[in-house]
Formats: sequence, structure tokens, C-alpha cells
Amino acid sequence: AIQMSQSPSSLSASVGDRVTITCRASQGIRNDLGWYQQKPGKAPKLLIYAASTLQSGVPSRFSGSGSGTDFTLTISSLQPEDFATYYCLQDHNFPLAFGPGTKVDIK
Amino acid sequence: QVQLVQSGAEVKKPGSSVKVSCKASGGTFSSYAISWVRQAPGQGLEWMGGIIPMLETANYAQTFQDRVTITADESTSTAYMELSSLRSEDTAVYYCARLGRILDYWGQGTLVTVSS
Repeated sequence: AIQMSQSPSSLSASVGDRVTITCRASQGIRNDLGWYQQKPGKAPKLLIYAASTLQSGVPSRFSGSGSGTDFTLTISSLQPEDFATYYCLQDHNFPLAFGPGTKVDIK
Repeated sequence: QVQLVQSGAEVKKPGSSVKVSCKASGGTFSSYAISWVRQAPGQGLEWMGGIIPMLETANYAQTFQDRVTITADESTSTAYMELSSLRSEDTAVYYCARLGRILDYWGQGTLVTVSS
């Protein structure tokens, strides 16, 4: 089974900061990767799929890149509503696998 | 607009089973896989398994292979996840999600509490 890792596990940032989160797959997954944002008590929200395609309605400050084993989620200018936990997910094959998450909180 | 509506919270005794439902509307139910994802308190997301209703084919994560059964009823556009031999560590929120453009639409979550 494919294993997913993320770094960092948490970070503190200020409004307006550029934030980068990294996800790594244990084997190549082409671009079969998505990014999710989750706030407490809520279901995950899809931000990006196919590694770099922005889901409809998601602000353009979110972007994704990468292919193969290494992927990045970037928030170009952090907004107050962006403080949340972010997960990557590989859907290259079954079993699907999430990364352990990155918590973004206020510095 | 696709919507997934899950059944309500459950409290179960250790050793019992729970069955959670997920009713879909606004899309073609049979054509997309439905996955189940769980999240224990304060923990990350864990994929449990999924089913393609049209094919009646289910895939399960090895962690849950022996205890979970995922089914679907095309006539009511409803998917089900049954987890047996419950233990306290199964206390979690269980989500269903549609596998379209990756897991794109999610249910609201169902809290299952396992307590004696």
C-alpha cells in the first residue's frame, strides 16, 4: 500500500504570509493527488485535485504542484479563514491514503 | 448539486455493530464509488473502504478488512457502512464521500461513540 507523509506537522504563520506544505508518496502516483482543508467539527473540503487543478469556488491564493512522489500546497497570502488543518490524499490506487495532516495556526 | 446525507449519531456497546447510512442526491449514484473515511477524536483522516454501486464491488483497507462491510442500494441511492466487534478505539466521526474528481463531495459525518 502507498504511504503518504506530510511536512511540517504544524506551523505558525501570520495573515499575509506565504505558506508551503509538502506531501510525499512512498511510490510514484503520477499526479493522482488532492489537497483538503478541514476546520474543527466540519467535513474536509476539497481544494485541489490532480495535484494542481483548483476545485471550483476555491480562492486562487491556493495552488498545488508536483508529480510522481513529491507535491506541494502553497497559500500565497494567508487569510484569517485559512487557519485549519490540511491533508493530502492519493487516489492513484486502492487503498486510498491520506497524509497525517498539517495544522496551520496563528502566530 | 450532489448532496450526501448521513444517518444520525450512535452510541454502541463494545462488541456490538453499527450501521451508518449515506443517502445521495443530485447526481448519478450508480456511476461513482462511495468511500468511507473515519476520524478519531483529535486524529487524522483514515480511509476505510469504498464501493462502486453499479458493480457491487467493494475495496477495504487492510486495517478494517475483517470488521467492515460496505454495501449500496441503487434503488434508494444509499450506501451503508457496517462495522462489527466495536471497541472503544472505534469512537470516531465516520464520513462518506463520493469518488468523482478524487473524494469531491462529503457527507456531514456521523459520530459513533463506543462505550460501556
